[in-house]
Amino acid sequence: GENVEQHPSTLSVQEGDSAVIKCTYSDSASNYFPWYKQELGKGPQLIIDIRSNVGEKKDQRIAVTLNKTAKHFSLHITETQPEDSAVYFCAASKAGFQKLVFGTGTRLLVSP
Amino acid sequence: ETGVTQTPRHLVMGMTNKKSLKCEQHLGHNAMYWYKQSAKKPLELMFVYSLEERVENNSVPSRFSPECPNSSHLFLHLHTLQPEDSALYLCASSQGQGEGETQYFGPGTRLLVL
Repeated sequence: GENVEQHPSTLSVQEGDSAVIKCTYSDSASNYFPWYKQELGKGPQLIIDIRSNVGEKKDQRIAVTLNKTAKHFSLHITETQPEDSAVYFCAASKAGFQKLVFGTGTRLLVSP
Repeated sequence: ETGVTQTPRHLVMGMTNKKSLKCEQHLGHNAMYWYKQSAKKPLELMFVYSLEERVENNSVPSRFSPECPNSSHLFLHLHTLQPEDSALYLCASSQGQGEGETQYFGPGTRLLVL
């Protein structure tokens, strides 16, 4: 079955710096890759997603890139702010059925 | 708020107790999910319901019993749990089960089994 690995497990940056979180997946049939943000005491919330027919997608300070050949995708956050501090999860799923396989999460800490 | 509510938010139970977790979605979705979130482990999919029918049971022990009486409500009945079942239990819903359907999560129920 699908296996998703996520790195790093923790990431500390200064406010204004960029942050990059990377994920790799094992099943070449996966074609949908969402990213979730989980704040303390809350459930995960979708922040951006990408499908396999697209190499890059951007939404304001957040961008995701996908390399299907290498089977990895990354989340990029620019101009980080303290409110970006949270745990970020990547996930992957196959066509036709919404069974998400999640990475282990990255705890991002943005210091003022 | 995501439109998915869960009660209770916190639950402490002994290994011989029986309790139930409740999830309600106000989004008009047709699919609902139960996940288990343990420390330092990926979110684990437990059950999937689509149009009130269970379509996925991810090798979950029988001490966890889901129930979906209608498309807006999902329950997880718990009995004779083990301490290793202590975790955050998350409910989610999506419009359907198709590719790329966004899943909306509730805040979770933090369960402690003594």
